[in-house]
Parts: sequence; structure tokens; C-alpha cells
Amino acid sequence: GDSVTQMEGPVTLSEEAFLTINCTYTATGYPSLFWYVQYPGEGLQLLLKATKADDKGSNKGFEATYRKETTSFHLEKGSVQVSDSAVYFCALSPWAGSYQLTFGKGTKLSVIP
Amino acid sequence: DGGITQSPKYLFRKEGQNVTLSCEQNLNHDAMYWYRQDPGQGLRLIYYSQIVNDFQKGDIAEGYSVSREKKESFPLTVTSAQKNPTAFYLCASSPRDMANSPLHFGNGTRLTVT
Repeated sequence: GDSVTQMEGPVTLSEEAFLTINCTYTATGYPSLFWYVQYPGEGLQLLLKATKADDKGSNKGFEATYRKETTSFHLEKGSVQVSDSAVYFCALSPWAGSYQLTFGKGTKLSVIP
Repeated sequence: DGGITQSPKYLFRKEGQNVTLSCEQNLNHDAMYWYRQDPGQGLRLIYYSQIVNDFQKGDIAEGYSVSREKKESFPLTVTSAQKNPTAFYLCASSPRDMANSPLHFGNGTRLTVT
């Protein structure tokens, strides 16, 4: 079945450091890929998405590129802020219009001043 | 503003009691979902519903029940048969076209059973 593997956390960075959170997936067909963010005590919010190979999703300074050849969707940000401290989830939808998402286990990011 | 409302935010129950978690959405979404979140385990799907009066089991449905009598509402009952009910429960909804507008989440209910 489909699966998503994220790098294990927690990840602790200093403010203005470069962030990479690795995400790889296993799926048949042509999945859509997502990054969600969860701030403390809240639900998940969609951060960015990509629906086909080579697409780049971006939002709030975060970027991720859908790499079919490496089955990856790594999340990056050039300069993190304390307000980016949260848990980040990579997820896939197995095909456009599917009602079910498969989530990774999440990576907790802490940014210190 | 449209959104998903889960209530209450914190819920405490004694072991052996059933408890119902509320989820209401005003986004006019067709599909609704319940996820369970445990530390280090990510999100696991409990039940989902694509349309009123219909729902399907997810990966961990045992010990839970749901109903979908209205498009806006998808309550989850945690029964006494659920062996380890203490967790953070998240409700979500989505329109029919998941690829372009995926899941929208509520802020969750933290259930503690002692």
C-alpha cells in the first residue's frame, strides 16, 4: 500500500538557519503530494501542495518540489523564524480526487532565537 | 468565516463510559473524516463519510462509531470497547475534488479517559 516516510525529529534550529525536512513516498500511479503544518494545540493546516511531477509548491517562504525519479517531496525554507516552530506532516493522495490521504508521522521543528 | 468546529477542546471521561465528540462544518464540503493522533504515530484514519447517510471504516475503526445524518455534522462516539481511547482527535472535511482543495481540519478534541 501507499506510504510516506519523513525524517525523524525533533529538529532544533537557530533563527535564520536553513531548513530541510526530508519526505519520501511509495505509491502506485500518480499521487498528489502535500505538506501540512500543525501549531501547538491546533489542527493541521495545508502549507503547500504539488499535483504532478516537477511541480513546485510554495507558501510562506517554504518550498517543496515533486521529484518522481527519487519519489521525494522535501520541504525547505531558506531562513526559519521562531514562529515556524510546529510539527510538519508530509502526505499523499493516491490519485486526483481520492478521498483518502496517507500521512507521514510528522517532524517536530523547534526554532530558537 | 467558514470552518470546522470541534467541541469540546478537552474532554475527560471515566473508563467504561461512551463519549461523543462533536464536529460541525460550514464549508459545504461533501466528505468528512475522523483521525486519531498519538505522539510519534502521525495521523490514523478512524472513519470517513463521502456523502450523507453513508460512511466507511478507516484503518482503526474498532471501538468507534459515527453517523452522518446531516451534511454539516459528523459526530464520533468513542465506545467502552475502545481499548486505548486517550488521544487527540481531529475532524476534517474536503470537497469532492481532493487534489485541488484537500483536507481542512478542526482544532481537535483532546480526550482523556481514566
